[in-house]
Amino acid sequence: EDQVTQSPEALRLQEGESSSLNCSYTVSGLRGLFWYRQDPGKGPEFLFTLYSAGEEKEKERLKATLTKKESFLHITAPKPEDSATYLCAVAQGGSEKLVFGKGTKLTVNP
Amino acid sequence: DVKVTQSSRYLVKRTGEKVFLECVQDMDHENMFWYRQDPGLGLRLIYFSYDVKMKEKGDIPEGYSVSREKKERFSLILESASTNQTSMYLCASSLIPLGETQYFGPGTRLLVL
Repeated sequence: EDQVTQSPEALRLQEGESSSLNCSYTVSGLRGLFWYRQDPGKGPEFLFTLYSAGEEKEKERLKATLTKKESFLHITAPKPEDSATYLCAVAQGGSEKLVFGKGTKLTVNP
Repeated sequence: DVKVTQSSRYLVKRTGEKVFLECVQDMDHENMFWYRQDPGLGLRLIYFSYDVKMKEKGDIPEGYSVSREKKERFSLILESASTNQTSMYLCASSLIPLGETQYFGPGTRLLVL
């Protein structure tokens, strides 16, 4: 069964303390891996799409990387406003569905 | 700029009521999706549509139906609301082919009493 597992479930950082979130997946024929940010009570906000192993994308303090089995979302020198739940999803070749992980809840303390 | 809107942010309904959730996108996307999100269960796909008047069941279609009469509008219908349908409902849209980036609306938090 296709699976997407995110770890850790929750992460608490001090402002400026860099870290990484993990998304591991077991799907055949990956067509794309997506990262979203979700604030409480709101819809997911699109961050990145990665299509092939070795690909990297950056946006402000966030950098997403992709290997054949997992993706990392690196957060450099986070700020309190980076606090949110980060969701990972994958699209499998031949399927119309995205498979979502359950998310990592990030808290950045000032 | 990408925009998906949902008709209500919060709804309170009674058990047995018929409930309509509306979603509109202004990006000329072919695909539209309805998800529900529950703590500990993540996002689960209810229905999706890849064209006007076309629909496909997702992972949890029971108790729901959908309507897509126009390209920009996708409605989720709860024929007879039940308490276990209390949830956050999220609409999304994307371009073809399937698997392209999905853009989400702000969500509707539905409480069924």
